[in-house]
Amino acid sequence: TQLLEQSPQFLSIQEGENLTVYCNSSSVFSSLQWYRQEPGEGPVLLVTVVTGGEVKKLKRLTFQFGDARKDSSLHITAAQPGDTGLYLCAGTPSGGYQKVTFGTGTKLQVIP
Amino acid sequence: NAGVTQTPKFRVLKTGQSMTLLCAQDMNHEYMYWYRQDPGMGLRLIHYSVGEGTTAKGEVPDGYNVSRLKKQNFLLGLESAAPSQTSVYFCASSGYYNEQFFGPGTRLTVL
Repeated sequence: TQLLEQSPQFLSIQEGENLTVYCNSSSVFSSLQWYRQEPGEGPVLLVTVVTGGEVKKLKRLTFQFGDARKDSSLHITAAQPGDTGLYLCAGTPSGGYQKVTFGTGTKLQVIP
Repeated sequence: NAGVTQTPKFRVLKTGQSMTLLCAQDMNHEYMYWYRQDPGMGLRLIHYSVGEGTTAKGEVPDGYNVSRLKKQNFLLGLESAAPSQTSVYFCASSGYYNEQFFGPGTRLTVL
């Protein structure tokens, strides 16, 4: 089983603060995604990264894929209450398998 | 485009009853998946399909069956529901990099 460990599990911050969420594995992934899930809804895709060292920006969110394609990070600048939710990373193991491995998630609360 | 849709949204069953969860996607994706999400357990793969007429077991397949008779539809069946199957069920289809597009979920309670 390919494991993706996310940290921290829970994060409660004030509006305007910055934060970073980490997604780590001992395995190599051919692609990795980040999702946000709000209560009562399905996860929504935020980004896909496929190249080692790749950095993608989505407004105040910055995603980085590790050089060795074993880890990733999500950085949020000036967090807003609308960023509140469960953040999930997920990866496809290198080798072309169809299954995706999900991390255990980071629950973020941004307090106004 | 509706994306991925699931029916029903909520269901309550008694132990031993059966039901089928329906999933449909309009993105012409080959791969489709069924997951369950439980507190503290994350998303776990039940079954998946790599194309019309194919199915394969995931991480937690026991007690479930699936069928993919048409490319756009993926059905999840519970033949004899058990309280341990109380969960939120998500269907998903995947794109080129295996990015998952999820439905809104079905909340199932088994009494």
